[in-house]
Amino acid sequence: NAGVTQTPKFQVLKTGQSMTLQCAQDMNHNSMYWYRQDPGMGLRLIYYSASEGTTDKGEVPNGYNVSRLNKREFSLRLESAAPSQTSVYFCASSEFRSLFFGSGTQLSVL
Amino acid sequence: GQQLNQSPQSMFIQEGEDVSMNCTSSSIFNTWLWYKQEPGEGPVLLIALYKAGELTSNGRLTAQFGITRKDSFLNISASIPSDVGIYFCAGLETSYDKVIFGPGTSLSVIP
Repeated sequence: NAGVTQTPKFQVLKTGQSMTLQCAQDMNHNSMYWYRQDPGMGLRLIYYSASEGTTDKGEVPNGYNVSRLNKREFSLRLESAAPSQTSVYFCASSEFRSLFFGSGTQLSVL
Repeated sequence: GQQLNQSPQSMFIQEGEDVSMNCTSSSIFNTWLWYKQEPGEGPVLLIALYKAGELTSNGRLTAQFGITRKDSFLNISASIPSDVGIYFCAGLETSYDKVIFGPGTSLSVIP
């Protein structure tokens, strides 16, 4: 039982490049989330998906897109990466109002 | 948008001391969650609170859901070195399944 799995763990991009962060959960949870974490800022919600087929904007959605591919998978896409998107990205899933997190993706945009 | 405030921002305590931290919001939440994060790891759920006034314990940790539904408190008794980390509170808007996090309280324990 892996819980929430994120790939990749580390990524370096050049400004303007695109990439997709992958997230999968094996707990059969309905809700999934993407957060970014910056020093001193805590975790800020980028997008969330309350159920398969639905997505909604969080606190900081600009520059990102998401896809809830099926119940297990929720991907985050950066179409044109910017240095301001350098951060640690966490995916989470939830059931019964408790979130469970993956181990994070450390992204650097040069 | 909604914001959560946590205090204190950081704490340095002696091993064996008790710790108190709190989280406040300008909005009402239906659920409060407390997490701990260690370096290089994702946050780990410590305690979940679902009802105003609820007091819940998990070992040496005790958390309370404030009566006004705009605040929550976390206490750690008899701290030990492995309590070191960042503690986050989070509030859940049940109707939208949206979870917002506070900025965290950094705890350091001096042996």
